[in-house]
Amino acid sequence: NAGVTQTPKFQVLKTGQSMTLQCAQDMNHEYMSWYRQDPGMGLRLIHYSVGAGITDQGEVPNGYNVSRSTTEDFPLRLLSAAPSQTSVYFCASSLWGEKLFFGSGTQLSVL
Amino acid sequence: AQTVTQSQPEMSVQEAETVTLSCTYDTSESDYYLFWYKQPPSRQMILVIRQEAYKQQNATENRFSVNFQKAAKSFSLKISDSQLGDAAMYFCAYRSVGNAGNMLTFGGGTRLMVKP
Repeated sequence: NAGVTQTPKFQVLKTGQSMTLQCAQDMNHEYMSWYRQDPGMGLRLIHYSVGAGITDQGEVPNGYNVSRSTTEDFPLRLLSAAPSQTSVYFCASSLWGEKLFFGSGTQLSVL
Repeated sequence: AQTVTQSQPEMSVQEAETVTLSCTYDTSESDYYLFWYKQPPSRQMILVIRQEAYKQQNATENRFSVNFQKAAKSFSLKISDSQLGDAAMYFCAYRSVGNAGNMLTFGGGTRLMVKP
């Protein structure tokens, strides 16, 4: 049982480049979400999904897109990376009302 | 919107002693969940303890316990018999009961150092 798998673990981008952070879970969880972690600010919600085909914005959605075509996968897209998006990104999944399972995070640097 | 505040950016404790990490939150809801997460240098987010607001009894998990003061909107974490492996970032988090996306609101974190 792999849990929540995030790839890549590290990424360096140049300003204006695009990329997709991958997130997959094998626990048949309906709820998936993306958080970013900045120093001194804890984790903040970017986007979330309550099931395949359903997504919604969190606290800091600007500059990010998501889609949920399957229960297992919830990719996060940066369309035009900016230095302000330098952060650690976490994907999480859960059943409704149950504990969140977090991935191991992606360290992203935008130069 | 709910907010969670951790007023101690850093704390230190001597090995085998007890330390208390503070957390306050702001909400207009009467039913909710509160959590403490541990994040070691590996970056993994580990659930330490969970408290349901409707329960008056404070949650306990081995050496970890909470002091939940609903009226004061306070949720502190006590770590007894501190061990070197307890050194980590600790985050307090809030979740509404009717939360459609099972989303958490986090505090800014407290870095705990354990001295041998």
